Amino acid sequence: QITLKETGPTLVKPTQTLTLTCTFSGFSLNTGGGGVGWIRQPPGQALEWLALIYWDDQRYSPSLKSRLTITKDTSRNQVILTMTNMDPVDTATYYCAHIGGYYPLERFDYWGQGTLVTVSS
Amino acid sequence: QSVLTQPPSASGTPGQRVTISCSGSSSNIGSKAVNWYQQLPGTAPKLLIYSNDQRPSGVPDRFSGSKSGTSASLAISGLQSEDEADYYCATWDDSLNAWVFGGGTKLTVL
Repeated sequence: QITLKETGPTLVKPTQTLTLTCTFSGFSLNTGGGGVGWIRQPPGQALEWLALIYWDDQRYSPSLKSRLTITKDTSRNQVILTMTNMDPVDTATYYCAHIGGYYPLERFDYWGQGTLVTVSS
Repeated sequence: QSVLTQPPSASGTPGQRVTISCSGSSSNIGSKAVNWYQQLPGTAPKLLIYSNDQRPSGVPDRFSGSKSGTSASLAISGLQSEDEADYYCATWDDSLNAWVFGGGTKLTVL
């Protein structure tokens, strides 16, 4: 059974750096174990993909690449996302999700509950 | 403006069949598999359809997906009140090197 849970601050100030942790169980981020992605959703708006990580690869949204870093701690079954220079427009619910399937049929098949991050001074 | 285009809203009465479209281009839907997600109010998205037309275990067969060219569709037959939710299409875009989502369709069961 695959589960994921996001943790991090609920409130950050403009210009600060956001660090979110995704703690997962039921799979391993090793060869063939799939991957983990981060997706966000501003209030009342659509889903937006941010970044993903596999055992040996990381990918970023082109529009946010300069602000994002995704890393993994395989010993703790965690994926960490950092986003620099936070702005009020970054206020959103941030989700992490397991990436299942094999190329070219990947999908986000299991999602965390999400964590709401508000950016305000 | 989303890379994948969905109608913002759709509606139907209980028992009806409704379809939701998702339009893209050759760099995404035209060459990649499409996934659909259902997001009930206040909850995380749930995978509904993957690889264009496959249902994960536990998803009722009232839900079906299809793809033709650069467009995909989600069909819901025998509409039920609990189907009232937001629906999103998603796929990988080779030109952007990014996952892309549609803008979402809010389904109302009248």
